Amino acid sequence: DGGITQSPKYLFRKEGQNVTLSCEQNLNHDAMYWYRQDPGQGLRLIYYSQIVNDFQKGDIAEGYSVSREKKESFPLTVTSAQKNPTAFYLCASKPLSRNTEAFFGQGTRLTVV
Amino acid sequence: AQKVTQAQTEISVVEKEDVTLDCVYETRDTTYYLFWYKQPPSGELVFLIRRNSFDEQNEISGRYSWNFQKSTSSFNFTITASQVVDSAVYFCALTFLNFGNEKLTFGTGTRLTIIP
Repeated sequence: DGGITQSPKYLFRKEGQNVTLSCEQNLNHDAMYWYRQDPGQGLRLIYYSQIVNDFQKGDIAEGYSVSREKKESFPLTVTSAQKNPTAFYLCASKPLSRNTEAFFGQGTRLTVV
Repeated sequence: AQKVTQAQTEISVVEKEDVTLDCVYETRDTTYYLFWYKQPPSGELVFLIRRNSFDEQNEISGRYSWNFQKSTSSFNFTITASQVVDSAVYFCALTFLNFGNEKLTFGTGTRLTIIP
């Protein structure tokens, strides 16, 4: 089955630790996105990538880093510089054509204690 | 600025009532694409509909309908005869080119609660 997989579903980390969220897709999509969701704030774009080894900052990139070494993988690292990392993180992928919808993973809920 | 605004934060209606979710967008592009997604309690976003800037034809799909008006930069979504299963957060989204890269931006969402 084709799809986009995020892991883990729930993640707990101590304050000050870096943590990496996984996002893998087998849809052969070129574009991939990371969003953060907080209550009442909708989806805010963190990073996005259209091709391997290239990515752009979204609206709230500070405190986050990404890599795109393979077309199917777009991991997100939440660094200790991110002041309020507790949130729900969603990964998405889509073909490059703008007239196509994005496919979303089931999300990772990160809690920093 | 290129952005999507969903002014309605939360809406509650009694089952079987009709409800309209508003979406207003801003973009410099002459070619752009609009989308609606549904987010049930499980968290995963589900695609509902897309519309491009050249196609102002309104669409009906079962109990769902969409009204796209370029003159007012709006892309509203109506559910008729609402059901409890329609309870979810609904997002409107816009894609545009940002320095050659395709950016997908969302509104803040509208939480819809259908009361049995």
